[in-house]
Amino acid sequence: GNSVTQMEGPVTLSEEAFLTINCTYTATGYPSLFWYVQYPGEGLQLLLKATKADDKGSNKGFEATYRKETTSFHLEKGSVQVSDSAVYFCALSDLGTYKYIFGTGTRLKVLA
Amino acid sequence: EADIYQTPRYLVIGTGKKITLECSQTMGHDKMYWYQQDPGMELHLIHYSYGVNSTEKGDLSSESTVSRIRTEHFPLTLESARPSHTSQYLCASSWGTNEKLFFGSGTQLSVL
Repeated sequence: GNSVTQMEGPVTLSEEAFLTINCTYTATGYPSLFWYVQYPGEGLQLLLKATKADDKGSNKGFEATYRKETTSFHLEKGSVQVSDSAVYFCALSDLGTYKYIFGTGTRLKVLA
Repeated sequence: EADIYQTPRYLVIGTGKKITLECSQTMGHDKMYWYQQDPGMELHLIHYSYGVNSTEKGDLSSESTVSRIRTEHFPLTLESARPSHTSQYLCASSWGTNEKLFFGSGTQLSVL
């Protein structure tokens, strides 16, 4: 079945450091891939998405590229800020069932 | 941006009580979802709906039930709450295929 594997956290970085959160997936067909962010005490909100191979999603300085050959969708940001401290979820859409499959989440803490 | 609402935001109740968690969206989305989020952050799909009068059980077995009588409304009911039901419950909706999920702010349920 379809699945998403996400690197475990927590990840602790200093402000302005480079961020990578790894995400790999297993899926049949060509699902859309997503990164969601959850700030403390809130629901999830979409950070970025990509719908086909080699697409790059980007938002708020974050980027991720849909790599079909490595089945990956790693999240990157060149210079993190304290306000980026949150939990990040990688997800894919299951084409057959309309369900969304989420990774286990990675907590990011950015120190000033 | 999100027009999906969950009430109450926090709920503390005693064992054995019947409760209903409300979820409404004003976007006309056909698909709606309930997720349970454990303290370790992982999201578990417990119910989903493709449209009016359609409900399906998710990947995590749950003693809760749902109904979808109107497009905009997807309440979740627990007939007899227990401490094991203590969790964060997130409602979400989407439209079409491979489109993003919109999440509510969640209901934090504590059963004493």
